Amino acid sequence: DAGITQSPRHKVTETGTPVTLRCHQTENHRYMYWYRQDPGHGLRLIHYSYGVKDTDKGEVSDGYSVSRSKTEDFLLTLESATSSQTSVYFCAISAKVSSNTEAFFGQGTRLTVV
Amino acid sequence: SQQGEEDPQALSIQEGENATMNCSYKTSINNLQWYRQNSGRGLVHLILIRSNEREKHSGRLRVTLDTSKKSSSLLITASRAADTASYFCATDGTGRRALTFGSGTRLQVQP
Repeated sequence: DAGITQSPRHKVTETGTPVTLRCHQTENHRYMYWYRQDPGHGLRLIHYSYGVKDTDKGEVSDGYSVSRSKTEDFLLTLESATSSQTSVYFCAISAKVSSNTEAFFGQGTRLTVV
Repeated sequence: SQQGEEDPQALSIQEGENATMNCSYKTSINNLQWYRQNSGRGLVHLILIRSNEREKHSGRLRVTLDTSKKSSSLLITASRAADTASYFCATDGTGRRALTFGSGTRLQVQP
């Protein structure tokens, strides 16, 4: 596996609580992404980063925020978790803009909001 | 909305048979990629085909791309039980900095 670590791997939280998921890479790749995976929907992009402090929204960004203060870490925050945010979250990285290279994925974080 | 849609959603075959999965997409692309996901794991890149390519091979994998029909197919020849997984196509396009994934095909290879 590429040097990507997601933490935690599993989390159960209550509705209305804040949650932060962490993605850490050791590859020094410029691009980092957060996706969520739900049955019947495949992977949907939440937010991505194209450099330190440079982030942009994906197709399902509502209710999520991100931060990237250094190359190796990309944080995803659910400010006030809702049951609809129960999902498996994947972090991915790529060296170049996606058109020319593959993306490497972390092992995923299973989040349950009760 | 999903850029790529795979067909079929699920496929069950016997070991040794070939497996074909299709992907359709909506907008123009720079390239199309196929990924594999084993149960409970992250996605792993299989193969990339550029928009100016029509066919590409990698081991037992054969990918075709028809940009006029906005479709691609992934053929796995001589399938093995270890090929059991979900397979996703992913596309990017002009101005997009992230891959857009389809909903995937679940492949079950019976030993």
